[in-house]
Amino acid sequence: KQEVTQIPAALSVPEGENLVLNCSFTDSAIYNLQWFRQDPGKGLTSLLLIQSSQREQTSGRLNASLDKSSGRSTLYIAASQPGDSATYLCAVSEVDSNYQLIWGAGTKLIIKP
Amino acid sequence: DGGITQSPKYLFRKEGQNVTLSCEQNLNHDAMYWYRQDPGQGLRLIYYSQIVNDFQKGDIAEGYSVSREKKESFPLTVTSAQKNPTAFYLCASGQGAGGELFFGEGSRLTVL
Repeated sequence: KQEVTQIPAALSVPEGENLVLNCSFTDSAIYNLQWFRQDPGKGLTSLLLIQSSQREQTSGRLNASLDKSSGRSTLYIAASQPGDSATYLCAVSEVDSNYQLIWGAGTKLIIKP
Repeated sequence: DGGITQSPKYLFRKEGQNVTLSCEQNLNHDAMYWYRQDPGQGLRLIYYSQIVNDFQKGDIAEGYSVSREKKESFPLTVTSAQKNPTAFYLCASGQGAGGELFFGEGSRLTVL
């Protein structure tokens, strides 16, 4: 059974630093992987979607990579800003599970001014 | 504006009452989903629908019911059979299986 893990559960860094958030999964037979952002008490916002055939995707200051063989994805945030403070969640979909998403518990990121 | 609208944002329920959470989307998406979110846990799928008049149980469907009579609407009823209904409920939609998901702002249900 697929399991998705995000470590650490919380991270605090000074403004301006580049940082990496981690997502690991136990079964490499995924269809795609998605990264989301969630602000407190709000819904989720899709950040990046990486298909299983892709190695990375970029959007602005965000870059997500995917290494299926090792069961890992990273979300790189360049030049962090206080507005980046949020919880970041990753989720994988599988063909065998009818494409339903399996979620990590998230990493709560705090950017200190 | 295109998007997903959930209502109400906050809801209080007495034990033994059924409540219905609304989810409407104008993105013309075929698939719609209901998730439950509890502190410190990943999202858990309650129900999903990939086409009008059809829906499937997710991992935690017991105590919940849904309908999909229109493409743009996917209401969730939390019944009195749900033993621990206090949670944050999220509705999402997407175009096709495995596609990017778009979420509403969520509904927070508290049982008094």
